[in-house]
Parts: sequence; structure tokens; C-alpha cells
Amino acid sequence: DIQMTQSPSSLSASIGDRVTITCRASQAISNSLAWYQQKPGKAPKLLLYAASRLEGGVPSRFSGSGSGTDYTLTISSLQPEDFATYYCQQFSSPPPTFGQGTKVEIK
Amino acid sequence: EVQLVESGGGLVQPGGSLRLSCAASGFTFSSYDMNWVRQAPGKGPEWVSGITGSGRSTYYADYVKGRFTISRENSKNTLYLQMNSLRAEDTAVYYCAKESGYRSGWDAFDMWGQGTMVTVSS
Repeated sequence: DIQMTQSPSSLSASIGDRVTITCRASQAISNSLAWYQQKPGKAPKLLLYAASRLEGGVPSRFSGSGSGTDYTLTISSLQPEDFATYYCQQFSSPPPTFGQGTKVEIK
Repeated sequence: EVQLVESGGGLVQPGGSLRLSCAASGFTFSSYDMNWVRQAPGKGPEWVSGITGSGRSTYYADYVKGRFTISRENSKNTLYLQMNSLRAEDTAVYYCAKESGYRSGWDAFDMWGQGTMVTVSS
């Protein structure tokens, strides 16, 4: 199975900050990567797929990049509604696997 | 509106069985591969099982293989997960998730249900 490692596991940031979360796969995944946002008691919500394609309705302050084994999620200007836990997921090779999550908290 | 609604969760003793259902609406159900993903309390999501749109192909995580069975009834727009020989470590919120269909084969999960809680305990 492909292992997905996210960093950091948590971070504190202020409104308006630029936030970057990284995800490293144990082998190359050819941009077959998705990012999800999850708020307490809710299901994960798809933000980006194919590493950099924004899902419909997701604000443009979210962006993704990367290739091979290393990928990043960037929030250009953190908003109050962005405080949540973020997960990466690879779908290059079954089984699909998720990172352990990055919790974004208010500083 | 695209919607997935799970049901069937509850408290079950170790070794017991449960059948989860996921009712889909707002899209052509038979055209999309579907999955079950679970999330234990305080943990990240964990893929459990997947099924192609036709239902002809099914896939399982190693930790549920031989105990869980995924199926679908396209005429009823419903996805199922039959869970047998349940263990304490199966305790989690179980979500059904729709694949986006942006490419053939595996892809991202663009719609999730609200989840149903399964608790395995004596």
C-alpha cells in the first residue's frame, strides 16, 4: 500500500495568513492526489483533485501543486471558515490511502 | 441536489453483523463507482471497500476482506455494506462516497454522505 505522510500534523495561524500543508507519498503517484477539508462532526469535503484542479464551488484561495511523491496544499489568505482538518488522499494505486491529517487552528 | 444518505449503523456485539445502506439521489447512480470509507473516533479516514458502477467488480481493504461485502442495487439507487464477524476495531463512522468520474479507474471522492456510526462492543 502507498503510505501518505502529511506535515505538519497541526499548525496555528491567524486570519489572512498564507498556509502550506505538505503531503509525501511513499512512491510516485502521478498527480493522482486529492485534498479534503473536514470540520468536526461533518464528512470530508473535496477541495482539489488531480493535485491541482479546484473542485466546483471551492474558493480560489485554495490551490494545490506538486509532482512525483511530493504535493502541497496552499491557502493564500486564511479565512475563519478555513479552520478545520485537512487530509490528502492518493488514488494512483489501490487501495486508496489517506494522510493522517493536518489540523489548522486559530493562533 | 446530489445527496447520499447512510443508514443501518448501531451498537453490535463482537462477532455480530450489520448491514449499512446508502441511498443516492440527484445523479445517475449506475454511472459512478461508489465506496465505503470509515473513520474511527479521532482518526483519519480509512478506505474500506469499492464497487464499480455496474456492480461487476468489487474491492476490499485487507482488514475487512472475507468479512464485509459491498453491493449495489442500481434500480433502487442504493449502495450496501454487509458487515459480518465484527470486531471492536471496526468501530467507526461509516461514510458512503461517490467517485467523481473525472477519469476512468480510481479517482477522488466528490460526494460523501453524513455517515452512520457503528459501535462494536459487548
